[in-house]
Amino acid sequence: DIQMTQSPSSLSASVGDRVTITCRASQSISKYLNWYQQSPGKAPKLLIYAASTLQSGVPSRFSGSGSGTDFTLTISSLQPEDFTTYYCQQSYTSPLTFGGGTKVEMK
Amino acid sequence: QVTLRESGPALVKPTQTLILTCTFSGFSLTTTEVCVNWIRQPPGKALEWLALIDWEDDKYYTPSLKTRLSISKDTSKNQVVLRMTNMDPLDSATYYCARSDNIASRHGFDSWGQGTLVTVSS
Repeated sequence: DIQMTQSPSSLSASVGDRVTITCRASQSISKYLNWYQQSPGKAPKLLIYAASTLQSGVPSRFSGSGSGTDFTLTISSLQPEDFTTYYCQQSYTSPLTFGGGTKVEMK
Repeated sequence: QVTLRESGPALVKPTQTLILTCTFSGFSLTTTEVCVNWIRQPPGKALEWLALIDWEDDKYYTPSLKTRLSISKDTSKNQVVLRMTNMDPLDSATYYCARSDNIASRHGFDSWGQGTLVTVSS
C-alpha cells in the first residue's frame, strides 16, 4: 500500500494568514493526489484533484501543487470557515489511501 | 443534483455481519466509469477507503479487509450494498459512500453521503 504522510498534524493560524499543508507519498504517484476539507460532523468535501485542479465551486484561495511524492495545499488568506481538518488522498493505485489529516486551528 | 445517503444499523454486536445500503440519485451506475465507493472513519481518526463497485460490476477491496467485505449493486433501485462480516469493536466508525467518475478516483470522490455511525458493542 502507498502510505500518505501529512505534515503538520495540526497548526495554529489567524484569519488572513497564508497556510501551507504538505503531503508526502511513500512512492511516486505522479500527479494523482486529491485534497479534502472536513468540518466536524460533516462528510469530507473535495477541494482539489489531480494535485492542482480546483473542484468546481471551491474558492480560489485554495491551491495545490506538486508531483511525484511531494505535494502541498495552500490557503492564500485563511477565512473563518477554513478552520477545520484537511486530508490528502492518492488516486494512483488501489488500495486508495488517505493521509492522517491536518487540523487548522485558530491562534 | 447528485445525492447519496447511507442507511443501516447504528449498533451491531461483535461477530455479527454489518449490512449498509447506499441509495443515490442524480447519476446512474450504468454510466461508463462511474463508481460508488465505501469509506469509513473511526471517531477522531483518519479516513480509510474500503471498497468500490464500478459501472461494469467490477469490485475492488482494500486488501486488509478483503476477506470480510462484499459489495454489490442494484441499478434498478440506485443502491449499493456493503456487507462486512465478523464485526469487531475496532470497526466502530462513521461509514460513508461516495461517488467517483473512475476506478482510481482520478478526479476525487466528488460527492459524499452524510455518513452513518456504526458502533460495535455487546
